[in-house]
Amino acid sequence: NAGVTQTPKFQVLKTGQSMTLQCAQDMNHEYMSWYRQDPGMGLRLIHYSVGAGITDQGEVPNGYNVSRSTTEDFPLRLLSAAPSQTSVYFCASSYLGQGLGETQYFGPGTRLLVL
Amino acid sequence: AQSVTQPDIHITVSEGASLELRCNYSYGATPYLFWYVQSPGQGLQLLLKYFSGDTLVQGIKGFEAEFKRSQSSFNLRKPSVHWSDAAEYFCAVEEQAGTALIFGKGTTLSVSS
Repeated sequence: NAGVTQTPKFQVLKTGQSMTLQCAQDMNHEYMSWYRQDPGMGLRLIHYSVGAGITDQGEVPNGYNVSRSTTEDFPLRLLSAAPSQTSVYFCASSYLGQGLGETQYFGPGTRLLVL
Repeated sequence: AQSVTQPDIHITVSEGASLELRCNYSYGATPYLFWYVQSPGQGLQLLLKYFSGDTLVQGIKGFEAEFKRSQSSFNLRKPSVHWSDAAEYFCAVEEQAGTALIFGKGTTLSVSS
């Protein structure tokens, strides 16, 4: 298993540009999520999904869109990049479990710089 | 709203000394509790987790954590720190199965020789 994969590893954007961060998992996990990590802020949830066709907002959703057309993929779209979106983005996935919290597996991250 | 507090932003420990990283959570019921570690430039790796039962949980790399309901705490411990333990450590809570993790802001551990 490749686990959780993210592409690209690093990206530079200009203000106003759009782009899609890719996330894929091959573990048949129902739950997938996107976090951003900023210095001194820990990880903050952007969006999450509990299955194909179902998405919901997290703590910091503004400026980001997601969709979940398949179990495997959960892309994150930046509609019009802003310098405040400079961050490291992590994708994670897990089983939903049966009444017990499941371990979330994290991808290696995408470093995004918006100029 | 639930929250996680890691009171120590940065801790320096001598190699071979013991370590305790603090974590407090704010939540009405017993949440699911996790500790993750992140080495520089890397993703997050799960150290250990607590769901129920024995309040002392063993994890990987010689780490353990103790859940104390009365103090709403889930502190991470290691009896003897190695230089390779230098990293950032995150405590996280999950309100219920299959929901998002709420992370603390992290504690950076430095190990001195």
